[in-house]
Amino acid sequence: SQQGEEDPQALSIQEGENATMNCSYKTSINNLQWYRQNSGRGLVHLILIRSNEREKHSGRLRVTLDTSKKSSSLLITASRAADTASYFCATGGGSNYKLTFGKGTLLTVNP
Amino acid sequence: NAGVTQTPKFQVLKTGQSMTLQCAQDMNHNSMYWYRQDPGMGLRLIYYSASEGTTDKGEVPNGYNVSRLNKREFSLRLESAAPSQTSVYFCASSGEREGLGETQYFGPGTRLLVL
Repeated sequence: SQQGEEDPQALSIQEGENATMNCSYKTSINNLQWYRQNSGRGLVHLILIRSNEREKHSGRLRVTLDTSKKSSSLLITASRAADTASYFCATGGGSNYKLTFGKGTLLTVNP
Repeated sequence: NAGVTQTPKFQVLKTGQSMTLQCAQDMNHNSMYWYRQDPGMGLRLIYYSASEGTTDKGEVPNGYNVSRLNKREFSLRLESAAPSQTSVYFCASSGEREGLGETQYFGPGTRLLVL
């Protein structure tokens, strides 16, 4: 069963706007990750935030984590057409080696 | 440095046929994974191998077997393919320090159609 649930399922914005996607999860985690998938391709890791971190930045990406609400958000600033992709959150936890993925948010950035 | 490679890229099978999906990584990673991706379902873990010589079931292992041939290679076998196994299959790996549910590196995927 899916641990993470992304919201919204689909998001359409204009180039230059910011895009925000949210992820909620159910059980305790060690870290939460965001991945991008371009159509027909494999997933690419974007950013990892650990359970003791609240915010992390990487280029135009900003991720926040609220463990009390069991939620995370991914903000992409000044979006570009090339950011069009599906974005997945994945949670990792405990002593196992597994990530559990959500169903993804499809982001469309219109030029 | 090719990262994670998968073969074949695309395959059509008839119900009942068998096939093996191959995966190899050149990053000296300990852990390797097989996922399937279906529309609206996200990625679901089929099997994983935390280290060479070990394999464990994931969320949807029925109808599949795996072999961790060596540190580099992790294969997925469908013994008797069924239409429900039509999907896109992804292999992934994660590294020495990253083994505990940390960053995974994905291959390009294998699209499988079972008629």
